Amino acid sequence: KNQVEQSPQSLIILEGKNCTLQCNYTVSPFSNLRWYKQDTGRGPVSLTIMTFSENTKSNGRYTATLDADTKQSSLHITASQLSDSASYICVVSPALGRQGNLIFGKGTKLSVKP
Amino acid sequence: DTGVSQDPRHKITKRGQNVTFRCDPISEHNRLYWYRQTLGQGPEFLTYFQNEAQLEKSRLLSDRFSAERPKGSFSTLEIQRTEQGDSAMYLCATHSGGAGNEQFFGPGTRLTVL
Repeated sequence: KNQVEQSPQSLIILEGKNCTLQCNYTVSPFSNLRWYKQDTGRGPVSLTIMTFSENTKSNGRYTATLDADTKQSSLHITASQLSDSASYICVVSPALGRQGNLIFGKGTKLSVKP
Repeated sequence: DTGVSQDPRHKITKRGQNVTFRCDPISEHNRLYWYRQTLGQGPEFLTYFQNEAQLEKSRLLSDRFSAERPKGSFSTLEIQRTEQGDSAMYLCATHSGGAGNEQFFGPGTRLTVL
């Protein structure tokens, strides 16, 4: 069964600190892996998207990495800000089956404290 | 603002009542998806349209749920005889097609069934 597992489930850090969120997946083959940010009560917003052949992708203070051999991805947040408090969802798109099919992780809830 | 709008943003209803939600996609996007998200979980796929055709429905979509996209533009999701277990965030997402294309999510409709 295609699965996406994220860790930790939740994380509290101080403003200005860095953090790394993890994503393990069993989806194979896959066409791309995305990280979304979801503020409380809002829809997810895309941060990064990587194809299976890419190793890293940056978007400002967000850097995603992908190791297709170990089926792991991480999202690194640098110099965290209070506005980074949100859920971060790892999403994998299978290469086979319905176009637009997305397999969602449960997300990591990040709280940035002053 | 992703360009996808949903209405209403919040809906409180009593068990047994019918509710209808609306999604207005980005105008050039021919694919439209409905998801349901409960607290602490990632979005779960409900159904998807390509233009006005409903191409796939999840097993989560019981016979109390119906979705339409009559002119290939906006879509509605109706829940009949609501149950407390229907309480969730209902998200709409659209994209223009292609495996690597991003899905843009609306802000969601938060349904509470009392």
